[in-house]
Amino acid sequence: AQKITQTQPGMFVQEKEAVTLDCTYDTSDQSYGLFWYKQPSSGEMIFLIYQGSYDEQNATEGRYSLNFQKARKSANLVISASQLGDSAMYFCAMREQAGKSTFGDGTTLTVKP
Amino acid sequence: DGGITQSPKYLFRKEGQNVTLSCEQNLNHDAMYWYRQDPGQGLRLIYYSQIVNDFQKGDIAEGYSVSREKKESFPLTVTSAQKNPTAFYLCASRWRANTGELFFGEGSRLTVL
Repeated sequence: AQKITQTQPGMFVQEKEAVTLDCTYDTSDQSYGLFWYKQPSSGEMIFLIYQGSYDEQNATEGRYSLNFQKARKSANLVISASQLGDSAMYFCAMREQAGKSTFGDGTTLTVKP
Repeated sequence: DGGITQSPKYLFRKEGQNVTLSCEQNLNHDAMYWYRQDPGQGLRLIYYSQIVNDFQKGDIAEGYSVSREKKESFPLTVTSAQKNPTAFYLCASRWRANTGELFFGEGSRLTVL
């Protein structure tokens, strides 16, 4: 069974608007970590934001915030004030207690001018 | 500069040949990972290692082998048993297996002719 599910293969957003990328996860671990990474067309992987399973506050990093709903097992990424440079593929990932790290299938975000 | 170095960046091989992809890190990280990415898709875990001289199979280990004889190095061998080896391979590391984000190399693109 897939442990990380990203249901949006592609998303469009107008420049300067906010966008939410969905991520749901499945684990029986009590301690785990949730991450978002960005992959531009160049192929490099860029770490964006992290949320620990015991963190009570939603994580924020600049224009990125993570909407963590533990009971629903969701960890959605919110990008505010989208920029053209935000166009890329975005991956949700989970680090399990034993150290295994798995990724979702990704969402391709296109920012329109 | 600290980081992860993957080599070669591009590799062409004939069907039936084994190939070894190099991954070296100077970040003093304990844990290292190998992922495979097919075009337009997510990252799938091949193998990971939490500590020197130890490694675990990921979700798609068949046809691949690894070693972890030194902390800095985690080479991946794509064997002739791997039925469809053409892909983009990403190596990553983190400080400890259950702490922190993944740091990625720039990837190796393998094409089997």
